[in-house]
Amino acid sequence: DIQMTQSPSSVSASVGDRVTITCRASQGISGWLAWYQQKPGKAPKLMVYAASSLQSGVPSRFSGSGSGTDFTLTITSLQPEDFATYYCQQASRFPYTFGQGTKVEIK
Amino acid sequence: QVQLQESGPALVKPSQTLSLTCAVSGGSISSRGYCWNWIRQPAGKPLEWIGRICTSGTSNYNPSLKSRVTISLDTSKNQFSLTLNSVTAADTAVYYCSAQTGSGIDHWGQGTLVTVSS
Repeated sequence: DIQMTQSPSSVSASVGDRVTITCRASQGISGWLAWYQQKPGKAPKLMVYAASSLQSGVPSRFSGSGSGTDFTLTITSLQPEDFATYYCQQASRFPYTFGQGTKVEIK
Repeated sequence: QVQLQESGPALVKPSQTLSLTCAVSGGSISSRGYCWNWIRQPAGKPLEWIGRICTSGTSNYNPSLKSRVTISLDTSKNQFSLTLNSVTAADTAVYYCSAQTGSGIDHWGQGTLVTVSS
């Protein structure tokens, strides 16, 4: 299986801050990477697919980049509704695998 | 806009079979290019992909569960199902059904908690 490693596991930030989350794949996955946002008690929500394509309806303060093994999700100007846990997921090979999550907390 | 809703028993006894159904609305389960996934999440833990079935007829499963899992489509009822045999406490989780139209999983049900306990 392809292992997905996210860092940091948690980050404390303030409204208006820029936050960057990284995801590393244990082997190359080209651009087959998605990012999800999950709030407590809710289903995940697709934010970015194909490493850098923003899902319809997702604010432009979110962006994704990377290819191969190293990827980033960036949130510019963090908003109150952005405090959540974020997961990366590879769709290059079966089984699909997720990172362990990064919790974005209020400082 | 596709909407999904899971249903099934909330409590399953060890060694028995977990069966969940996902009702699809707002679109046909036979729509070309769709794949229907099951994903689970134990409390406080990351997401785990269980498997998927596509309208093309292909299915893929997580090898860690493959011997116990079946995912099937019921086009007459516009729903798909998950069957997981010989469950243990380790199978206790929130189970999500979801739809995938591209490389990301873009539609999710609200999730249903299944507890394995005697």
